[in-house]
Amino acid sequence: DAGITQSPRYKITETGRQVTLMCHQTWSHSYMFWYRQDLGHGLRLIYYSAAADITDKGEVPDGYVVSRSKTENFPLTLESATRSQTSVYFCASSGGGNEQFFGPGTRLTVL
Amino acid sequence: GENVEQHPSTLSVQEGDSAVIKCTYSDSASNYFPWYKQELGKGPQLIIDIRSNVGEKKDQRIAVTLNKTAKHFSLHITETQPEDSAVYFCAASKRDDKIIFGKGTRLHILP
Repeated sequence: DAGITQSPRYKITETGRQVTLMCHQTWSHSYMFWYRQDLGHGLRLIYYSAAADITDKGEVPDGYVVSRSKTENFPLTLESATRSQTSVYFCASSGGGNEQFFGPGTRLTVL
Repeated sequence: GENVEQHPSTLSVQEGDSAVIKCTYSDSASNYFPWYKQELGKGPQLIIDIRSNVGEKKDQRIAVTLNKTAKHFSLHITETQPEDSAVYFCAASKRDDKIIFGKGTRLHILP
């Protein structure tokens, strides 16, 4: 199906484990973004990418790693998960016209 | 960097009445101001946006106003309906990639 998808939709993991959240878009959008949403903080940008092999830090990048080997994929990795990374994670993409299209989100719980 | 403040955090209005959400931004170079609506369990979706060369924009029951001098912008929803219940985010951007979001307003439409 066309659009932007995220997987998994729900994930429970333990402190110290590595976790990768996947994001895939079918529009060939140049820009892709990762946000986390926490109560009282709204949406905070973690990392973004302007094109394949180009990534840049957002507001809260510590503890996260991203890669963009293909235009359509933008995985987010938590190398050693901590409880403070419990959150809802949203991926978004943009064709450069400012409007961002969001995925359905991944709810991550770190025990 | 850019900072976006949004008020109120929660708003309850009677069905049929109007709702107003206000935001301020800090970076005078910002030139794009979108508003996103997030329904329960979904990702945010763009509902209206305005650029700095325009003072007001309307789309049916929704309107946005921008005061560049004061660095604030507002969302107005008239004749509110139950389906308007959601979380609304304002945002600001100064180029074609990342945008900075406010913390959100939870709007309740009362029957």
